[in-house]
Amino acid sequence: QVQLVESGGGVVQPGRSLRLSCAASGFTFSSNGMHWVRQAPGKGLDWVAVIWHDGSNKYHADSVRGRFTISRDNSKDTVYLQMNSLRIEDTAVYYCAGGYCSGSSCEMVYWGQGTLVTVSS
Amino acid sequence: QSVLTQPPSASGTPGQRVTISCSGSSSNIGSNTVNWYQQLPGTAPKLLIYSNTQRPSGVPDRFSGSKSGTSASLAISGLQSEDEADYSCAAWDDSLNGWVFGGGTKLTVL
Repeated sequence: QVQLVESGGGVVQPGRSLRLSCAASGFTFSSNGMHWVRQAPGKGLDWVAVIWHDGSNKYHADSVRGRFTISRDNSKDTVYLQMNSLRIEDTAVYYCAGGYCSGSSCEMVYWGQGTLVTVSS
Repeated sequence: QSVLTQPPSASGTPGQRVTISCSGSSSNIGSNTVNWYQQLPGTAPKLLIYSNTQRPSGVPDRFSGSKSGTSASLAISGLQSEDEADYSCAAWDDSLNGWVFGGGTKLTVL
């Protein structure tokens, strides 16, 4: 069955960096776009970034553009989120999600269980 | 402040039909399809409805979606206690070049 397993979360000080990973199995990773979506404590879902199945397109939310970078390694069935210059407001559970790409966007069909990132001094 | 607007809460009794609205604009719902996600307490989101009206395999037909113009709705008929969850709508936004979500609606089964 489809599995997405996030890792790399933890407690980090403001201004520092963290890299999240999401390992996929149970579906053809290289044929699917991948997203990162976050959810601050007690808040709604907040889309962060998407990367196309072949890495040809990447988009980031305004709130993270220039600080976060999404990437993928299809040989390892893994998607990454490099997070630099972290802020307190980046504190959230970070989910990876995947799905087919069509036209101008990629779907969010499969979801991982999330990894918690806490930014605190 | 979410780009898509949903009521923060909804409620119903077992067996009832409830609807949850999602309002957007021409750059998101008005020009792209809408997805709905269900998030049970303490768990990850699950795709409930895609392409406005389609249900993934395994989703009961008690759940249905619709879209008109720049608004969409999720309807749940024959409400059950296990439907108590947060429901969020989402759509691609052509102006933002990204997905936008509603703030989520917490459904309570009385």
